[in-house]
Amino acid sequence: DIQMTQSPSSLSASVGDRVTITCRASQSIRSYLNWYQQKPGKAPKLLIYTASSLQSGVPSRFSGSGSGTDFTLTISSLQPDDFATYYCQQSYTTPWTFGQGTKVEFK
Amino acid sequence: QVQLVESGGGWVKPGGSLRLSCAASGFTFVNYYMSWIRQAPGKGLEWVSYISITSSSSSYIKYADSVKGRFTISRDNAKNSLFLQMNSLRAEDTAVYYCARGRAAGGGLHLDYWGQGTLVTVSS
Repeated sequence: DIQMTQSPSSLSASVGDRVTITCRASQSIRSYLNWYQQKPGKAPKLLIYTASSLQSGVPSRFSGSGSGTDFTLTISSLQPDDFATYYCQQSYTTPWTFGQGTKVEFK
Repeated sequence: QVQLVESGGGWVKPGGSLRLSCAASGFTFVNYYMSWIRQAPGKGLEWVSYISITSSSSSYIKYADSVKGRFTISRDNAKNSLFLQMNSLRAEDTAVYYCARGRAAGGGLHLDYWGQGTLVTVSS
C-alpha cells in the first residue's frame, strides 16, 4: 500500500497568515493527489484534485502543487472559515490512501 | 444540486450485519463511480470500496483489505442508489460511513461530493 505522510500534524496560525501543508507519498503517484478539508461533525469537502486543479467554488487562496512523491497545499491568506483539518489522498492505485490529517488551529 | 443521503447505520453486535444505502440525486448517477469512505471516532479517513459505472465486471469493484470478503458494494442505477452490505462486523468497523461521488479528471479519480455520513457502532 502507498503510505501518505502529512506534515505537520497540527499548526497554529492567525488570520492572514500564509499556511503550507506538505504531503509525501511512499512511492511516486504522479499527480494523482487530492486535498480535502473537514470541519468537526461535517463531511470532507474537496479542495484540490490532481495535485493542482482547484475544485469549482473553492476560493482562490487555496492552491496545490507537486508531483511524484512530494506535494503541497497552500492557503495564501488564512481566513476564519479555514480553521479545519486537511487531508491529502492518493488515487494512483487502490487501496486509495489518505494522509493522517493536519489540524489548522487558531493561534 | 448534487445530494447524497446515507441511511442504514446503527448499533450491531460483533459478527452481525448491516446494509447501508446512499440515495443520490441532482446528477446522472449512472455516469459516475461511487465510493464508501469511513472515519472511526476521532480518527482520520479510510477508503473502504469503490464501484465503477457498471458493476457487471468484478474488476471494476475494489475493496480495502480490511473489509475484503466481509463487505459488498453494489449499485442500482435505476434507483440512483449505492449500497454497502456489511457482514461479520467487528468492533474496529465502528465508524461514520460516507458515500461519495467519484469524478474522473486527468486520468485520476477524486471524490467531489460527499454525503453527511451514517454512524455504525459495533459493540456487545
